[in-house]
Amino acid sequence: EVQLVQSGAEVKQPGESLKISCKGSGYSFTNYWIGWVRQMPGKGLEWMAIIYPGNSDTIYSPSFQGQVTISADKSITTAYLQWSSLKASDTAIYYCVRKNDGKNWFDPWGQGTQVTVSS
Amino acid sequence: QSALTQPRSVSGSPGQSVTISCTGTSSDVGGYNFVSWYQHYPGKAPKLMIYDVSKRPSGVPDRFSGSKSGNTASLTISGLQAEDEADYYCCSYAASYTSLYVFGTGTTVTVL
Repeated sequence: EVQLVQSGAEVKQPGESLKISCKGSGYSFTNYWIGWVRQMPGKGLEWMAIIYPGNSDTIYSPSFQGQVTISADKSITTAYLQWSSLKASDTAIYYCVRKNDGKNWFDPWGQGTQVTVSS
Repeated sequence: QSALTQPRSVSGSPGQSVTISCTGTSSDVGGYNFVSWYQHYPGKAPKLMIYDVSKRPSGVPDRFSGSKSGNTASLTISGLQAEDEADYYCCSYAASYTSLYVFGTGTTVTVL
């Protein structure tokens, strides 16, 4: 079974750093893109960025370029989303998604990671 | 890239049909046949329901169908069932300098 399993909920203070993870299993991790999608409280979905673990090729939405960093460690089939200095506005649920190369849909989705930034 | 426009909510009785629209521009929905739809129960992982405008992944009931005309894509749920009550999001490939993909604003389907 193809699965994306994300790390657990996080509560952080403004200015702190954070790295959340997404572990893929049941498929060839290096042959699919992994993306990240944000859902702020009471809001819709926003596409953030995507990475190809096979060669670490990355594409960011301009809205998130410079705000977050995505990476992947193919040796442990895990992708990451990280912040160097969190803001209250980063409070959201973050989903990782899998995308086939050359295709334009996301399947499956991870279960989501709740990130809460509050002083 | 602005979010694609969806109605905030639609509703129908069991057995009826409902249609959710997803309006974009010629730079996204109208420019490519790469619209997908996702069903989202709050607190759960979203699920792919339709891809490439009208294709259904295996396991998705044929009550769900997709179409597109110009800059507007649509998701139709026929024979509405109680378990269809959820949020639905469209997504389009955009390939612009502003964003590679853009999601819709989301629609809550209520089964009366």
